Amino acid sequence: RKEVEQDPGPFNVPEGATVAFNCTYSNSASQSFFWYRQDCRKEPKLLMSVYSSGNEDGRFTAQLNRASQYISLLIRDSKLSDSATYLCVVSRGGGADGLTFGKGTHLIIQP
Amino acid sequence: DAGITQSPRHKVTETGTPVTLRCHQTENHRYMYWYRQDPGHGLRLIHYSYGVKDTDKGEVSDGYSVSRSKTEDFLLTLESATSSQTSVYFCAISEAGQGSTQQFFGPGTRLTVL
Repeated sequence: RKEVEQDPGPFNVPEGATVAFNCTYSNSASQSFFWYRQDCRKEPKLLMSVYSSGNEDGRFTAQLNRASQYISLLIRDSKLSDSATYLCVVSRGGGADGLTFGKGTHLIIQP
Repeated sequence: DAGITQSPRHKVTETGTPVTLRCHQTENHRYMYWYRQDPGHGLRLIHYSYGVKDTDKGEVSDGYSVSRSKTEDFLLTLESATSSQTSVYFCAISEAGQGSTQQFFGPGTRLTVL
């Protein structure tokens, strides 16, 4: 099982729709979880951290299920500007090297 | 945005030549990382540093070396570049290790080895 797995997509979604991504991780010792966003030919940027109780930031909601080892991201009322690749990121559970990145899910919002 | 710069931003070189990429930060963060990003592989860690002169290998370190003589600078060297090292290289920084805090990324360096 790969460390962090995501559906690569692309997800083609009409503007205004709700879209959800999931990712699964294999390291049960992981303690920190993040969603990053990466625009084409740009660097990854933090979208939001993911907390055990779930958290929301505007139109974005992240959920963590430790028992099943998966993380989800929900985007409501999608905008054209949400088109990007979304990277699921988890901590390695020890050691200074930090984070394991998923390969990303490509989202295209269509007008 | 976090103060991270990378130089050069683009480079084309020939097989067998040495190449050094520089990452510079103004955030005084202790941890610095070098990643490469390739289609189908996502971000893969090459080397990281947890302090001045303290570095360690990541998952794809073969063919690369690093140095960190100052908190703000982290250098990645390809001693003898190969075509398989054609990639986009990202530097990242973080305040803490163990993945407990987010990493901030530089703008990337596009390296082509002919």
